[in-house]
Amino acid sequence: DADVTQTPRNRITKTGKRIMLECSQTKGHDRMYWYRQDPGLGLRLIYYSFDVKDINKGEISDGYSVSRQAQAKFSLSLESAIPNQTALYFCATSGEEREGLRETQYFGPGTRLLVL
Amino acid sequence: QKEVEQNSGPLSVPEGAIASLNCTYSDRGSQSFFWYRQYSGKSPELIMFIYSNGDKEDGRFTAQLNKASQYVSLLIRDSQPSDSATYLCAVSSGGSYIPTFGRGTSLIVHP
Repeated sequence: DADVTQTPRNRITKTGKRIMLECSQTKGHDRMYWYRQDPGLGLRLIYYSFDVKDINKGEISDGYSVSRQAQAKFSLSLESAIPNQTALYFCATSGEEREGLRETQYFGPGTRLLVL
Repeated sequence: QKEVEQNSGPLSVPEGAIASLNCTYSDRGSQSFFWYRQYSGKSPELIMFIYSNGDKEDGRFTAQLNKASQYVSLLIRDSQPSDSATYLCAVSSGGSYIPTFGRGTSLIVHP
């Protein structure tokens, strides 16, 4: 089974709808992240969480919110979806696996979101 | 503003050649450097990391780091068509746990 899972994998929604993207991990990592990826723009950080009680905004948090329900779960919500939120969304984790990999990120498979 | 710059490409090399991918970064305090490979529509996958100046080799991959010049490179020897992907450079300051990603370089290995 995959260490980092995301649901749904694909989603089509309409402008103004509220949607939630979910991320679960079995790696036991404390740190979790949400990114979006757009063609030509690379990965941009939306929110990150270093433990259940620590949630921080990334560079593009406007229009998004998150919830860290447990160490293993980190959800991203779009309160009122708009077309320019159409993108590929990735959840990632990182943790103290061993000295040589202390800041490596492990990515989920991604959620492809289309807002009409 | 921390910046990581990569040539977007595409970089096209023949099968069996050496592919050289480059990355420059702006933050002199950076301590951790990563290369991720991303196939189209898939998630990034770590292939190399380096912390110290010099070369680090792992199979066909070599990462090279020069902190004085603020660049990190990835060499892929004996390139294969299966190496065709986008390669993301990521840089992190020690202890920040927030890497900055470059936009990636597209590599095409043609038979």
